Amino acid sequence: EIVLTQSPATLSLSPGERATLSCRASQSLSSYVAWYQQKPGQAPRLLIYAASNRATGVPARFSGSGSGTDFTLTISSLEPEDFAVYYCQQRSSWPPTFGQGTKLEIK
Amino acid sequence: EVQLVESGGGLVQPGGSLRLSCAASGFTFSSDGMNWVRQAPGRGLEWVSYISGSSTIIYYADSVKGRFTISRDNAKNSLYLQMNSLRAEDTAVYYCARDLDYYDVLTGYKRAFDYWGQGTLVTVSS
Repeated sequence: EIVLTQSPATLSLSPGERATLSCRASQSLSSYVAWYQQKPGQAPRLLIYAASNRATGVPARFSGSGSGTDFTLTISSLEPEDFAVYYCQQRSSWPPTFGQGTKLEIK
Repeated sequence: EVQLVESGGGLVQPGGSLRLSCAASGFTFSSDGMNWVRQAPGRGLEWVSYISGSSTIIYYADSVKGRFTISRDNAKNSLYLQMNSLRAEDTAVYYCARDLDYYDVLTGYKRAFDYWGQGTLVTVSS
């Protein structure tokens, strides 16, 4: 089973700042990584798939990058609605696994 | 508009059984694989099971293998999860999620869970 490690666990930033979230895999994933956003009491929402492709309706301030074992989700300028928990997921092999999440909180 | 609506959650005693359902609409259900994903209170996401569009391919997480059974009825646009021998550690919100899996000739495979239901809570407690 592939293990995904997200860092930091918590990120405290202010609206307008740039957020950089990291996801590291225990083995190479090629580009089979997705990112999800989850707000309290809501289901996860797909943001990024295949490492760098934005899902339908996702604002351009969200971008993904990386390949192999290191991946990054970047939010270029934080909006108030962006404060949430973010998960990376690998779809390189079964079982699909998730990182433990990064909580993005308002500073 | 793609919609996934789970139902069937509730309180059940350890060792008991429960059947979850997921009603799908807004897409050709029989063409797509489906997943169950769960989230224990205050915890992260855990994939539980996958079934292909034709039900020919099925996978389970080791934590539920032999106790849970995934199935689907394409005529009813419905996905199911039969959960037996439930344990306290199965307590979670259970989500159904559509499987995005296609090949782009220029950029390769695209894989993710692209649509999620709102979830149904399963509580295993005496």
